[in-house]
Amino acid sequence: AQSVTQLDSQVPVFEEAPVELRCNYSSSVSVYLFWYVQYPNQGLQLLLKYLSGSTLVESINGFEAEFNKSQTSFHLRKPSVHISDTAEYFCAVSASGTYKYIFGTGTRLKVLA
Amino acid sequence: NAGVTQTPKFQVLKTGQSMTLQCAQDMNHEYMSWYRQDPGMGLRLIHYSVGAGITDQGEVPNGYNVSRSTTEDFPLRLLSAAPSQTSVYFCASSYSLAGVYYNEQFFGPGTRLTVL
Repeated sequence: AQSVTQLDSQVPVFEEAPVELRCNYSSSVSVYLFWYVQYPNQGLQLLLKYLSGSTLVESINGFEAEFNKSQTSFHLRKPSVHISDTAEYFCAVSASGTYKYIFGTGTRLKVLA
Repeated sequence: NAGVTQTPKFQVLKTGQSMTLQCAQDMNHEYMSWYRQDPGMGLRLIHYSVGAGITDQGEVPNGYNVSRSTTEDFPLRLLSAAPSQTSVYFCASSYSLAGVYYNEQFFGPGTRLTVL
């Protein structure tokens, strides 16, 4: 079975500052890893995913995440945040080739002016 | 493409009432799921389907039924609503390539359900 831990429930950060949202997982099999973003009163949207290959994956809006197998982590980072990045971010894991996802409890990112 | 649509957006029920949350997708995805989202608990899988006529239980299936008679539709039925079912419900769909599933899920906008 897989599990996901997002250590921070809320992260306040000032605009243009860097941010890291932490995600750790546990699994006895190889996994695929995902970050989803949820803006207020909306559904979830895929931000980025790791399936295989390069351990550093990037999104089109400046976020990146690095798969670290030895530390079983998939932390999300952005070097300079904007007010529009204010949202809830969910880390998710699925066993390779299976459909069922396990989501973390989410991290609320609040960007302050 | 409308993507994944859900109706209604909001619903208030009394304890013991039944209702069906509708979910439809127009992307010809074979995989569909229902999740509930509760504060501090993330999203939890209720039921899922890997194709028309095939459904299975997720993490929190009690009190919910599903069926999948077509590829497009995946309704979620609450048989006898309870206050513990107050939540935001999301439907999602996904697909595989060359028989291998590894892709993202596409989420609907959600249904906010309150059970009094």
